[in-house]
Amino acid sequence: GAVVSQHPSWVICKSGTSVKIECRSLDFQATTMFWYRQFPKQSLMLMATSNEGSKATYEQGVEKDKFLINHASLTLSTLTVTSAHPEDSSFYICSAAVRGIERKPQHFGDGTRLSIL
Amino acid sequence: GENVEQHPSTLSVQEGDSAVIKCTYSDSASNYFPWYKQELGKGPQLIIDIRSNVGEKKDQRIAVTLNKTAKHFSLHITETQPEDSAVYFCAASIGGGATNKLIFGTGTLLAVQP
Repeated sequence: GAVVSQHPSWVICKSGTSVKIECRSLDFQATTMFWYRQFPKQSLMLMATSNEGSKATYEQGVEKDKFLINHASLTLSTLTVTSAHPEDSSFYICSAAVRGIERKPQHFGDGTRLSIL
Repeated sequence: GENVEQHPSTLSVQEGDSAVIKCTYSDSASNYFPWYKQELGKGPQLIIDIRSNVGEKKDQRIAVTLNKTAKHFSLHITETQPEDSAVYFCAASIGGGATNKLIFGTGTLLAVQP
């Protein structure tokens, strides 16, 4: 069964709205969570790395004030898309890992499809 | 910056034939190379992975080979079945192992014709 759960799986909202996406690790404590964005027929692009109890590290070109990440516990990280616009419409995917535990590779959630009207 | 190239972008095979997808990476420090299968509307699912201290790994119909000198790694699927049809992504870890961030290839759409 799924070990990483994302919620919601699909959201449609109006331009200007802020949207929060949750990523939960269900059966292990994730010290690190990664957030990816995937546009149609394209690859996964890493947006940021979220470490429990510290500030997220953003990839070049990703606006940290636009995509707010919180990793307040070892089982939950959230991504908030603030003042979303149509160009933010995409498939957002998280993965969870236990840093340094090489035998346990990161697991991916089933993604959240965000559509901004 | 770090980069992973993947070929081909599309691959069509007859059921029962083999399929091979190839990737090249740029980061010499990468030591973990997973392969993912992604079905429509879902997240990527790990199907096999290989670490830099191993040249080949096999799991039933799926195998992965790694040439660390050439920075190449490949996915081999034998006896393909229609349910193998999906998008496949290779990835390479950046600066380390399985729990480090991953750079993904551009994906291969595999179609297995019955």
